[in-house]
Amino acid sequence: ETGVTQTPRHLVMGMTNKKSLKCEQHLGHNAMYWYKQSAKKPLELMFVYNFKEQTENNSVPSRFSPECPNSSHLFLHLHTLQPEDSALYLCASSRTGGGEPDPNYGYTFGSGTRLTVV
Amino acid sequence: KNQVEQSPQSLIILEGKNCTLQCNYTVSPFSNLRWYKQDTGRGPVSLTIMTFSENTKSNGRYTATLDADTKQSSLHITASQLSDSASYICVVSVNYGGATNKLIFGTGTLLAVQP
Repeated sequence: ETGVTQTPRHLVMGMTNKKSLKCEQHLGHNAMYWYKQSAKKPLELMFVYNFKEQTENNSVPSRFSPECPNSSHLFLHLHTLQPEDSALYLCASSRTGGGEPDPNYGYTFGSGTRLTVV
Repeated sequence: KNQVEQSPQSLIILEGKNCTLQCNYTVSPFSNLRWYKQDTGRGPVSLTIMTFSENTKSNGRYTATLDADTKQSSLHITASQLSDSASYICVVSVNYGGATNKLIFGTGTLLAVQP
């Protein structure tokens, strides 16, 4: 285990369902991230949280709704998804440097949630 | 446009053989470059990190090189093992000033090591 835990590992949901992905880290990091990984595409940054405040939303559709109750936990709430949203969703955490999320010190990734929308 | 391109897209080698993966980037201003290994069904794990002034870094059987002039990096795997089968992702960090950094990801090279 890397220190970043994601649940569930696999999720199959219908387009009308509502589900949530969970990410938890106890590495003392203050920045947390959601990434989408689709086949043959680079990782796509979705959201960035720094000290539980959202600092970046990369034009993500509103059917994805993040929540960060504290620096150790991050959720991604899903509703009315489309089949093209099927992907591996990765959570990562990093240190914060100079008040900003600093991935220069290295990300720690979770194992991801494999999401299939049917 | 900041971009990271990797080649080959996929590679099959026999156990015990060596291989080299390539990464070309058009990223500015450059901060550092990392190689990640991603096993199937897992998140990426960092193998090496290199800054502008470093041109080689080793981690066991993995050796990364960086040519900041030509904006190229390579990852050399020596005496490959079955457990090396994974996707290898090149990631370049852009520094926009101060503490603000962005990561630019390559699409990865999928390596299969066969017995």
